[in-house]
Amino acid sequence: EIVLTQSPGTLSLSPGERATLSCRASQSVSSSYLAWYQQKPGQAPRLLIYGASSRATDIPDRFSGSGSGTDFTLTISRLEPEDFAVYYCHQYGISPPKITFGQGTRLEIK
Amino acid sequence: QVHLVESGGGVVQPGRSLRLSCAASGFDFSDNGMHWVRQAPGKGLEWVAVIWHDGSSQYYADSVKGRFTISRDNSKNTLFLQMDSLRVEDTAVYYCARSVWLSDSYGNRGYCFDYWGQGTLVTVSS
Repeated sequence: EIVLTQSPGTLSLSPGERATLSCRASQSVSSSYLAWYQQKPGQAPRLLIYGASSRATDIPDRFSGSGSGTDFTLTISRLEPEDFAVYYCHQYGISPPKITFGQGTRLEIK
Repeated sequence: QVHLVESGGGVVQPGRSLRLSCAASGFDFSDNGMHWVRQAPGKGLEWVAVIWHDGSSQYYADSVKGRFTISRDNSKNTLFLQMDSLRVEDTAVYYCARSVWLSDSYGNRGYCFDYWGQGTLVTVSS
């Protein structure tokens, strides 16, 4: 079973700063099966990035995803107030079909 | 537009059963695999189960295997989760989510959950 480990657990930054969130897999993951989600309090998760690097519809270009193999990164180039939330990476394992989420990174206002 | 609306949550005693529903609209329901994902209070996301677009296959997280059953009625655009032998640790908000393969203009493809419901709270307590 693939385990996703996100770091840091909490990231404290100010608006305008750059955020770098990491997602490390316990074994190699196909980029096609790696996605990122944002969740705000009381809301359902929202898709940000699919295929490790493609932005979902209506996601601002300050969000970008990168990585391959076991190391993936979500970068927010210039933080806006609405970006402070919890971020999850997710991978889909095909044999047997199973979804794994990372434990999340909380991005908080410094 | 796409809407997913969960219902059926509530308070139930340990060992009892509950059935969740997820009503889908705005897309051809029979085209997509569907998932249940849960989130315990103050915790992260945990995948629960998936069902293929035509209902032909279902897969479960180890934590619910043998107790939960995912099903769907494509004629009624509805997804279900039958939860039996409920435990205190099953307490969570349960989300239904649509799975898709998306592609960008550069040919990069990815499997993901593009739409989620608002969630329904299940509380297992004596």
